[in-house]
Amino acid sequence: GIQVEQSPPDLILQEGANSTLRCNFSDSVNNLQWFHQNPWGQLINLFYIPSGTKQNGRLSATTVATERYSLLYISSSQTTDSGVYFCAVLSGGYQKVTFGTGTKLQVIP
Amino acid sequence: GAVVSQHPSWVICKSGTSVKIECRSLDFQATTMFWYRQFPKQSLMLMATSNEGSKATYEQGVEKDKFLINHASLTLSTLTVTSAHPEDSSFYICSARVGLAGAYNEQFFGPGTRLTVL
Repeated sequence: GIQVEQSPPDLILQEGANSTLRCNFSDSVNNLQWFHQNPWGQLINLFYIPSGTKQNGRLSATTVATERYSLLYISSSQTTDSGVYFCAVLSGGYQKVTFGTGTKLQVIP
Repeated sequence: GAVVSQHPSWVICKSGTSVKIECRSLDFQATTMFWYRQFPKQSLMLMATSNEGSKATYEQGVEKDKFLINHASLTLSTLTVTSAHPEDSSFYICSARVGLAGAYNEQFFGPGTRLTVL
């Protein structure tokens, strides 16, 4: 099946810093989403982005489907950005959803 | 819009009992719902895909008789963990996909259910 790898696995940032999270996938996908999982476990939708670039406030995402990767940019990070970020892809004839390995982000004051 | 609820949010039960978890799409109809399992410090693993009015499709390694899924309406799917054992303790999360079955649309997630089996 498709492999979805995220990097880095862990990231510690000073408040106000910028960061780039990466999601690599091993096969073509039908769609891609980015999520933020808060400390209580809730998955919050950030972007639905099968291709192209989108921006929402301090966050933006770019997916280059032909090169099989997606990037999530976080600018001017805040402590509330802490948590785990996942990408998830939909692929194959059976439309299976596969989550990435996750990036754990900690933003310190 | 696109709100998904789950109930209960947490449950503690004795080994050998069965536990039912409900997943509801509150403001949209979901022909397809998904059930995931997440162990501590790990990613989400898809357990099964549930389509309204038909049998669920289980992922390899997931026991159909242990994890019973029912998607009886366009807004409700249930997961029943039968004869639960301590190794079934985990965080169970459901999601619902907006749009028609087979469409490559966005998923929205419930808040999850933390199951602890003593």
